[in-house]
Amino acid sequence: DAGITQSPRYKITETGRQVTLMCHQTWSHSYMFWYRQDLGHGLRLIYYSAAADITDKGEVSDGYVVSRSKTENFPLTLESATRSQTSVYFCASSAYRDSTDTQYFGPGTRLTVL
Amino acid sequence: GENVEQHPSTLSVQEGDSAVIKCTYSDSASNYFPWYKQELGKRPQLIIDIRSNVGEKKDQRIAVTLNKTAKHFSLHITETQPEDSAVYFCAATSNNNDMRFGAGTRLTVKP
Repeated sequence: DAGITQSPRYKITETGRQVTLMCHQTWSHSYMFWYRQDLGHGLRLIYYSAAADITDKGEVSDGYVVSRSKTENFPLTLESATRSQTSVYFCASSAYRDSTDTQYFGPGTRLTVL
Repeated sequence: GENVEQHPSTLSVQEGDSAVIKCTYSDSASNYFPWYKQELGKRPQLIIDIRSNVGEKKDQRIAVTLNKTAKHFSLHITETQPEDSAVYFCAATSNNNDMRFGAGTRLTVKP
């Protein structure tokens, strides 16, 4: 589990500000994912990346931007934060070519948008 | 896309009893079904998974069954212990990197 980390762990920001959440993994996993977790909704996929410079939208991508210039990093940016983006954000990674392989989750970032 | 429904949303059992959590999915192409356990304030962690070419899988006190025809799968925990108390999530996916999760079941094991 220590192989995937997220920062910051807690963040409070204001509506309209840009916020970037960081995710770093040391396993050289090819696949990385961003989820948000809200009460009653379980985990919902925001974006995923199959490799460096390859990203694709998930179920709830509006208002979010990602990049993946290096295999080990997968930052998630909220370009103009809204209150509805208050959530717990989890990054995950997996080793193989498709998602039918174990996804390992980071410790999460609790984001509050005031 | 895939839609996963999970029941019950809360489950309370006495220590030593069994617990069963059920999930249904909509996409017949889904072929991988993991179960995650999430303790309060912690990250989700995989506890068991099953692929569509298998009907049942067991790991000590935990088992998962899959019925592809009915499109449902279940998590069975036997001889429950207080440390099994957590939120459990099922998920389903086909080969498109779009894993869909159920809404979760909060399991409480009373000592």
